[in-house]
Amino acid sequence: GENVEQHPSTLSVQEGDSAVIKCTYSDSASNYFPWYKQELGKRPQLIIDIRSNVGEKKDQRIAVTLNKTAKHFSLHITETQPEDSAVYFCAASIPAGYSTLTFGKGTMLLVSP
Amino acid sequence: SAVISQKPSRDICQRGTSLTIQCQVDSQVTMMFWYRQQPGQSLTLIATANQGSEATYESGFVIDKFPISRPNLTFSTLTVSNMSPEDSSIYLCSGARQGRTGELFFGEGSRLTVL
Repeated sequence: GENVEQHPSTLSVQEGDSAVIKCTYSDSASNYFPWYKQELGKRPQLIIDIRSNVGEKKDQRIAVTLNKTAKHFSLHITETQPEDSAVYFCAASIPAGYSTLTFGKGTMLLVSP
Repeated sequence: SAVISQKPSRDICQRGTSLTIQCQVDSQVTMMFWYRQQPGQSLTLIATANQGSEATYESGFVIDKFPISRPNLTFSTLTVSNMSPEDSSIYLCSGARQGRTGELFFGEGSRLTVL
């Protein structure tokens, strides 16, 4: 089955800096790559996703890039703010006939004022 | 986005008892799943809840321990049976909309502590 590796496990930045979280996946058939943000005590929420027919997608201060050849994808957050502090999970999905995701282990992002 | 609600939000349980978690989704959701998130860990899929039939379990999870029902399209239950402290986790109901492969919405989670 699919295996998703995520790095780093923790990331501390100063407010205004950029943050990058990287994930690799094992199954070349994976074609959907979402990122979830989970604030302390809250549910995971989808913040951005990318499908394998595009290489980059942006939404305001966040962007995701995908390299199918290398089987890795990254989350980029620019101009970080304290409210960006959370655990971020990457995931990958293969077209198995129904929707299932394999999640990475998560990255705790801490943005200091 | 889809609306998913689950209850209880948290509970403290005694070893050896069982607890049932309920999940209600709106009509946009066609597929329902149950995930477990152990303290400080990632999300692990327990099973896919199938309407009117037995759930499809992932490796490492069995029906006797985690019986799941889905009597209709918008409601599912997960029971954690014969609980031990190792079952202390957050259990998350999730749903997917038809035609949106992979995109999952999550409930708020049920935080179980087993003493």
